[in-house]
Amino acid sequence: DIQMTQSPSSLSASVGDRVTITCRASQSISIYLNWYQQKPGKAPKLLISAATTLQSGVPSRFSGTGSGTDFSLTIASLQPEDFATYYCQQSYTTPCSFGQGTKLEIK
Amino acid sequence: EVQLMQSGAEVKKPGDSLKISCKGSGYSFTNYWIGWVRQMPGKGLEWMGIINPGDSETRYSPSFQGQVTFSVDKSISTAYLHWSSLKASDTAMFYCARLTYQDTSDIWGQGTMVTVSS
Repeated sequence: DIQMTQSPSSLSASVGDRVTITCRASQSISIYLNWYQQKPGKAPKLLISAATTLQSGVPSRFSGTGSGTDFSLTIASLQPEDFATYYCQQSYTTPCSFGQGTKLEIK
Repeated sequence: EVQLMQSGAEVKKPGDSLKISCKGSGYSFTNYWIGWVRQMPGKGLEWMGIINPGDSETRYSPSFQGQVTFSVDKSISTAYLHWSSLKASDTAMFYCARLTYQDTSDIWGQGTMVTVSS
């Protein structure tokens, strides 16, 4: 099975900050990396698919990069509604494993 | 509107059986696989497996193989997650999700909380 490792596990930042979350796969997954946002008590929401494709309705301050084994999610200027937990997921092969999550908190 | 509607919260005892549901609407149910994801209290997301509503083909994570069963009733656009004998460690939130390109979960149900306690 492919292991997904996110860093950091938690992050404190301020409104307006630029933040980057990284995700590393234990083997190459091409571009098949998705990013999800989850707020407390809510279902996850797809933000980015195929490493770089922003989903409809997702603000352009979110962006994704990477291929192979190393990926990143960047939020260009944090807004209050962005404080949440973020998960990466590989969909290259089943089981489609998730990273352990990155909790983004307000500083 | 494309949506997945899951059944309500359940409280069960160890050894009980349970089937929770996930009803799709606003799209052609048989054209998209459905996935199931577990989230234990305070923990991260775990991929359980997927089912093809068109032909009921399933793929289970090794961690869940033999522990749960996926099924569908395509006549009512509904997928199911079934346990034959619950354990306390099955206490979790369970999400269904529609899978699109390359097994990406684009639409999620609201989740079903399962609590197993004696």
